[in-house]
Amino acid sequence: AQSVAQPEDQVNVAEGNPLTVKCTYSVSGNPYLFWYVQYPNRGLQFLLKYITGDNLVKGSYGFEAEFNKSQTSFHLKKPSALVSDSALYFCAVRGPSNDMRFGAGTRLTVKP
Amino acid sequence: GAVVSQHPSRVICKSGTSVKIECRSLDFQATTMFWYRQFPKQSLMLMATSNEGSKATYEQGVEKDKFLINHASLTLSTLTVTSAHPEDSSFYICSAGRAGQPQHFGDGTRLSIL
Repeated sequence: AQSVAQPEDQVNVAEGNPLTVKCTYSVSGNPYLFWYVQYPNRGLQFLLKYITGDNLVKGSYGFEAEFNKSQTSFHLKKPSALVSDSALYFCAVRGPSNDMRFGAGTRLTVKP
Repeated sequence: GAVVSQHPSRVICKSGTSVKIECRSLDFQATTMFWYRQFPKQSLMLMATSNEGSKATYEQGVEKDKFLINHASLTLSTLTVTSAHPEDSSFYICSAGRAGQPQHFGDGTRLSIL
């Protein structure tokens, strides 16, 4: 079964510092991995995806993620965090019907 | 701009009322749409897959008679919460996407049953 895990409920960073939000995956076959961000009382916004190709994927708002097959990880990163990046971040893997299977979510707080 | 529109954004109603939520794909035809439910501070859980022109596919544990899904056209799916009770209060989110592309999500509907 396709699944992802986000080991951290909460990540706190100072503005201007690099941030990492962790995600590991468990899939049968090739993984189709995604990161989404959710602001309060809103739906999810797509940040980036990995289907195939380069292991470093660049996405929206300066975010990037590194696909690591040996560690079965797909961590989200940003070199310099902004206060406005504070939100709930979800890692996801494509399910068998093209639906999304989400991790538990990680709340990112960026402090000024 | 938004490619998936969800309406209404918020509903507050009395117990026993049926509530309909609409999900529209704005610039593409979606033969499949998905409905998720999100409890406070939790992740999204897939409720059902909405299939245009045929019956929805429900995930295990989701009552199909409670959560009626209709996908009558290639751009519209509706979720009706029938005879809603306080335990049905939640955040409901739909998604749609072209084949091979990421899913786009609606802005969600906050349902509060008094």
